[in-house]
Amino acid sequence: AQSVSQHNHHVILSEAASLELGCNYSYGGTVNLFWYVQYPGQHLQLLLKYFSGDPLVKGIKGFEAEFIKSKFSFNLRKPSVQWSDTAEYFCAVTTTSGTYKYIFGTGTRLKVLA
Amino acid sequence: DAGITQSPRHKVTETGTPVTLRCHQTENHRYMYWYRQDPGHGLRLIHYSYGVKDTDKGEVSDGYSVSRSKTEDFLLTLESATSSQTSVYFCAIRGLTSGSTDTQYFGPGTRLTVL
Repeated sequence: AQSVSQHNHHVILSEAASLELGCNYSYGGTVNLFWYVQYPGQHLQLLLKYFSGDPLVKGIKGFEAEFIKSKFSFNLRKPSVQWSDTAEYFCAVTTTSGTYKYIFGTGTRLKVLA
Repeated sequence: DAGITQSPRHKVTETGTPVTLRCHQTENHRYMYWYRQDPGHGLRLIHYSYGVKDTDKGEVSDGYSVSRSKTEDFLLTLESATSSQTSVYFCAIRGLTSGSTDTQYFGPGTRLTVL
């Protein structure tokens, strides 16, 4: 069965620090990969996605992620975080064929200190 | 947003009572999903639908049923609510974005408390 692992459950950073959140998935076929963000009290919003092509994808608000197929990873990065990035971040995967089910990781809570 | 609304937004109910949550979308999306979100578990798929009257189970479907009699509405029913079903419930659609259909968009959520 497919699964998604997010290794960092809680991350605390100071403003201007660099961010990297890990995401690994288990599935042998072709996948689409996503990062979603959930600000306090809000619903999930798409941050960025990878379908094919350049494995380095850029999203909104200065976030980027790199797909490394050999490592089954899709890590999220941001060079300099802001207080407003305080949120919960979810990695998700879906296969490119079949039932169109999306599998989510358990999330990483990021707190940025001003 | 993808024109998704959920009702009610908040509900408190008692153990053993039936509860129905509604998800409504205005953009004729074929695929609709119900998730529950719990601390430490992320989002877990309850049921999903791939068309009118076409539904399938997710990973945590026990105790839940769904119905989709119209494209725009996807109902989630807890036949007899239990305290373990206290959660935040999100509806999602699989929609169009930048020419791709393979992205989910989420509704605002329903916070359900079962006493």
